[in-house]
Amino acid sequence: DTGVSQDPRHKITKRGQNVTFRCDPISEHNRLYWYRQTLGQGPEFLTYFQNEAQLEKSRLLSDRFSAERPKGSFSTLEIQRTEQGDSAMYLCASSTPPSFGRNTEAFFGQGTRLTVV
Amino acid sequence: AQKVTQAQTEISVVEKEDVTLDCVYETRDTTYYLFWYKQPPSGELVFLIRRNSFDEQNEISGRYSWNFQKSTSSFNFTITASQVVDSAVYFCALSGTGGSYIPTFGRGTSLIVHP
Repeated sequence: DTGVSQDPRHKITKRGQNVTFRCDPISEHNRLYWYRQTLGQGPEFLTYFQNEAQLEKSRLLSDRFSAERPKGSFSTLEIQRTEQGDSAMYLCASSTPPSFGRNTEAFFGQGTRLTVV
Repeated sequence: AQKVTQAQTEISVVEKEDVTLDCVYETRDTTYYLFWYKQPPSGELVFLIRRNSFDEQNEISGRYSWNFQKSTSSFNFTITASQVVDSAVYFCALSGTGGSYIPTFGRGTSLIVHP
């Protein structure tokens, strides 16, 4: 297994355009997280899936942000009508789900760096 | 609510010095997990360690050691005999039952090791 994979690694887009990022988690992981990281800050949680179910999406930054994981494998994060303030690193992570009160660590991809001009 | 505080924004040391990165957390959960991650300039967060709230044993892995103290809600990370390759941003994170085990991160500490 090659770990969590994100595509593209870099994206430059004009303000107002839509962008979509893809994340392929570690194959046996059924939890998938999306985070945003801006310069000098820690990762900020956006949303997560357990299998294909999106269990938390209230932390998505606005209704311009949406995420899907249609078959419980890869996921996409879409930002519509991008704004300059959306410029950031978007990180995907995956983990096995908590069970019997035991949690497991999340493994991160290399991120997609978005620049909105 | 969960919160992680890394008060040290940046630490600069000379190679071979020991350095401790501080992490203080807040949670109402009785069952929770603490993590440390390293983010080198390439950008990928690399998992270093996980501890659960029931295990306060300190851990040592090579030049790395971790000190977990529930009494002070701290989970500090020490690098012994630092090396230039240790230069990175280090993040402490917390997850627990009250937050659906979603990791909450601190703001990170940037460690710069000079040759």
